[in-house]
Amino acid sequence: QKEVEQDPGPLSVPEGAIVSLNCTYSNSAFQYFMWYRQYSRKGPELLMYTYSSGNKEDGRFTAQVDKSSKYISLFIRDSQPSDSATYLCAMISNSGYALNFGKGTSLLVTP
Amino acid sequence: KAGVTQTPRYLIKTRGQQVTLSCSPISGHRSVSWYQQTPGQGLQFLFEYFSETQRNKGNFPGRFSGRQFSNSRSEMNVSTLELGDSALYLCASSLNREVNGYTFGSGTRLTVV
Repeated sequence: QKEVEQDPGPLSVPEGAIVSLNCTYSNSAFQYFMWYRQYSRKGPELLMYTYSSGNKEDGRFTAQVDKSSKYISLFIRDSQPSDSATYLCAMISNSGYALNFGKGTSLLVTP
Repeated sequence: KAGVTQTPRYLIKTRGQQVTLSCSPISGHRSVSWYQQTPGQGLQFLFEYFSETQRNKGNFPGRFSGRQFSNSRSEMNVSTLELGDSALYLCASSLNREVNGYTFGSGTRLTVV
């Protein structure tokens, strides 16, 4: 079993929809949680960064971490065609040096 | 502010050859880490450097090596290339992961033929 599980999709939604992306993990030592967006042939772009549990909001994006359930989410409000990309969750422990990534969810927002 | 710069962007090599990839982190970032991305395995950690010291290494064969220079620039080397080494190699830098997380470059796409 991989330490980080993420549904690969693809997920297709109409423009303006609310998108929910999720990851589960097994290592309770993970303390830092990140969401990256990756366009085709580009490097991952850091969208959201959360320490421990709780919510964080930045514009149309909201990240949630539930450490008791080992579950993290990214919500995208008012989705746009430009949001079409692969979304990767990543996490790392306090003492670790390696990010642990999910496989990524492919999102398509149709006009 | 310049981001993480990786060179070259694309490489085509023949089996058995070796290759060196370069990464210039964001100015002031002393931590540099490398990842391999493939469609089947996703992003896998190769190694991490801080102030010229390798602090951690992933589960890759010894053909994969790296180093970091005093100006924080980093290189990774792959010797005796195999077809399975074809991948996108990504470099990430960090100033203070408690605050900023990790910023990735655009990667070097290596094709081994």
